[in-house]
Amino acid sequence: NAGVTQTPKFRVLKTGQSMTLLCAQDMNHEYMYWYRQDPGMGLRLIHYSVGEGTTAKGEVPDGYNVSRLKKQNFLLGLESAAPSQTSVYFCASSSLRHGYTFGSGTRLTVV
Amino acid sequence: DAKTTQPPSMDCAEGRAANLPCNHSTISGNEYVYWYRQIHSQGPQYIIHGLKNNETNEMASLIITEDRKSSTLILPHATLRDTAVYYCIVDITGTASKLTFGTGTRLQVML
Repeated sequence: NAGVTQTPKFRVLKTGQSMTLLCAQDMNHEYMYWYRQDPGMGLRLIHYSVGEGTTAKGEVPDGYNVSRLKKQNFLLGLESAAPSQTSVYFCASSSLRHGYTFGSGTRLTVV
Repeated sequence: DAKTTQPPSMDCAEGRAANLPCNHSTISGNEYVYWYRQIHSQGPQYIIHGLKNNETNEMASLIITEDRKSSTLILPHATLRDTAVYYCIVDITGTASKLTFGTGTRLQVML
């Protein structure tokens, strides 16, 4: 039982490049989330999903897109990376009966 | 709109109880109090949650005042590995209501 797995763990992008962050959970959770965390700050919600095929915007959605084609996977895309998107990205999942389970994070640097 | 207020930092001697306070004076009747912690740069880890009654698990105890306007997380015998940022969050269980993380309390456990 791996919980929530994020790939990749580290990435360096050039401004304007695109990439996709993958989040996979094996707990059959309905809800999944993408957060970003900047130095010295709490986590901020980017997008979330309440079930397969559904997504919604969080607090800071601009510059990101998401997809939830399968229940166990939640993808976060950056179409044209900007230095302001340098951050640590955390994925999480939850269910009605359990608290949130977070992944170990993806450290993204945009140069 | 901050839903919770926590001290920015606290120190605790190893082996002693760590008591972390949280004010949530505007909590609604259907909102739970959750505690998470984040060790170094890892993903946040669920600790405990409660609605009205005090709760205890293998990690900690949660004491909620009768008026539910504040709570205290108790780590009964703090160790160096408990050094982390602790987040107190109010949330409606069962909804993808997007956990809102503040800046938390940085607990430093010292020898």
